[in-house]
Order: sequence, then structure tokens, then C-alpha cells
Amino acid sequence: EIVLTQSPGTLSLSPGERATLSCRASQSVSSSYLAWYQQKPGQAPRLLIYGASTRATGIPDRFSGSGSGTDFTLTISRLEPEDFGVYYCQQYGTSPRTFGQGTKLEIK
Amino acid sequence: EVQLVESGGGLVQPGGSLRLSCAASGFSFSRYWMSWVRQAPGKGLEWVANIKQDGSEKYYVDSVKGRFTISRDSAKNSLYLQMNSLRAEDTAVYYCARDNNYGLFDYWGQGTLVTVSS
Repeated sequence: EIVLTQSPGTLSLSPGERATLSCRASQSVSSSYLAWYQQKPGQAPRLLIYGASTRATGIPDRFSGSGSGTDFTLTISRLEPEDFGVYYCQQYGTSPRTFGQGTKLEIK
Repeated sequence: EVQLVESGGGLVQPGGSLRLSCAASGFSFSRYWMSWVRQAPGKGLEWVANIKQDGSEKYYVDSVKGRFTISRDSAKNSLYLQMNSLRAEDTAVYYCARDNNYGLFDYWGQGTLVTVSS
């Protein structure tokens, strides 16, 4: 199975700053079938990005995704207070679908 | 509005069984693959099982094969997960998720907690 490794484990930033989250795959993710989810405490995950770079419905344009092959990045251009939480990447090109272990984005 | 509402979680002893349900509304249930995804306390996400629109194909993560069974009832717009021979490591919040037919999860329920403990 494809193992996804996210870094950093925790990212401490202030509102207004730029956040860069990384997701590295153990083998190439076919057709850039890479998604990003946001999860807040006590809530279900929410789909943010799919196809490595396409924003899901209703997702603000401060969220952007990039990358291909084995290296992917989620960027939040200017952090808003509601952006803090845990972010997961997921590959859906190869069975079984797998998730990264998550990056916690916390308020500094 | 798409809604997924899970039920059926609770406390069960090791070796016991539990059946989870997920009631779907706000979309054409019979047109989508559906999945169960779980999250152990304080841990990350793990896909558990999925089922094709007509129920003819089902897939499972290796750790639950032979113990869990996914099913669906399109007449009731419902998804199920029958869990047998439960182990402590099955303790998790179980989410019902709509699979957008490409393998990603575009809508999630709020989850139901399953605790396996004596």
C-alpha cells in the first residue's frame, strides 16, 4: 500500500501568516489522485482539495494545492482563525485508499 | 443538502458484535459508492470498507477482512456495517462517507463511537 508521510507534525502560526503543509508518498500517486481534508475537534473531516489542486465546492481561494508524483503541498495563503485544526492528505489512485498521519495547525 | 447520519455505536466486549447504520439523504443514494472510515481516539483516519452502487462489489482493509461486512439498502437509502469478532483495536469513531466514485470522500457523517472493552 502507499504510505503517506505528512510534515511537519505540528505547525504553529499566527492569523494572517502563510501555512505550507507537505505530503510525501512512498510511491507515485497515479493521476495526481491526492486529496486534502481539514478536521476540527469533535467534527468530521471536510474535503478541501482533490486532484492535487482542485478546490472542493465552497472552499475559499486562500487554500491551494500543488504537486505530483510523490510530493504534494497544501498552502493556506493567509491564515484565518477558523483554519486551525488537523489536516490530512489522502491518496485515492491505488487500493487501499490511504491517509497521511495528519498535520496539526495550531495558533501561535 | 447532503446528510449522512450514523447510529448503532456503543460499548461492546471483545469478541462481540455490533451493527452500524448510516441514513443518507439529500442525494441519489443509488448512484454512489459508499464507504466506512474510522478514527481511533487521538489517531488518524483509516478507510475500512466500501461498496458499489448496486452492492455487487465490496472491498475491505486487510485488518477487518472476514470479520466486518458492508451492505446497503437503496430502498431505505441506508448503509450498514456488521462488525463481528470485535477487538480492542477496533475502538474508534466510525464515519459513513460518500465516495464520489473516484475514491475520495466528498461528504461525511458526524460519526458513531464504537468502544471494545471488557
